[in-house]
Amino acid sequence: GESVGLHLPTLSVQEGDNSIINCAYSNSASDYFIWYKQESGKGPQFIIDIRSNMDKRQGQRVTVLLNKTVKHLSLQIAATQPGDSAVYFCAEFAQNTGTASKLTFGTGTRLQVTL
Amino acid sequence: DAGVTQSPTHLIKTRGQHVTLRCSPISGHKSVSWYQQVLGQGPQFIFQYYEKEERGRGNFPDRFSARQFPNYSSELNVNALLLGDSALYLCASSSDYGADTQYFGPGTRLTVL
Repeated sequence: GESVGLHLPTLSVQEGDNSIINCAYSNSASDYFIWYKQESGKGPQFIIDIRSNMDKRQGQRVTVLLNKTVKHLSLQIAATQPGDSAVYFCAEFAQNTGTASKLTFGTGTRLQVTL
Repeated sequence: DAGVTQSPTHLIKTRGQHVTLRCSPISGHKSVSWYQQVLGQGPQFIFQYYEKEERGRGNFPDRFSARQFPNYSSELNVNALLLGDSALYLCASSSDYGADTQYFGPGTRLTVL
């Protein structure tokens, strides 16, 4: 299949280990953040989100941490599986009155799970 | 329920031609946004439509236009295609204008030769 990102930063993790993917965002006014997973040839798939009034949120095998002081997000994946191999994007959302409510995406990180 | 659907899946055009891409949002969703994803990069915002009106536009030339129909489906049109328009075009739907969670379709892969 066609690769989503040929020149993205790559994180290689052994199956069963935990993965941590980091993201720096740019807009201090952003009030909502989303992590998306994108497999080759597919559109981005929603994983987990967090609002700016929170610093941690947990889902099934995934945790998102938000540090507003340094404008940093991280996605932690527990017990990484081969099916987790994909490109991961963080996206920030700022509600702008009268203008588009758009997502601004980071550059993405490729996660490779080795057996 | 079906997710966001897009057609066609793949498209090959030559420079100077025109292209129309189509999107059907999740049932009940009224807002559709279009994004362009160039290989190796994250998606870039092109348009948002809500209730048939354009609510916002990204930094794209006037060759790009879109519209939304009464059933909330949408079309993205690109005129006078350039080689640099080759990309994956993604449609995302959300329940309402200002609704933050956007759900993406599989995209249309456009290749301009």
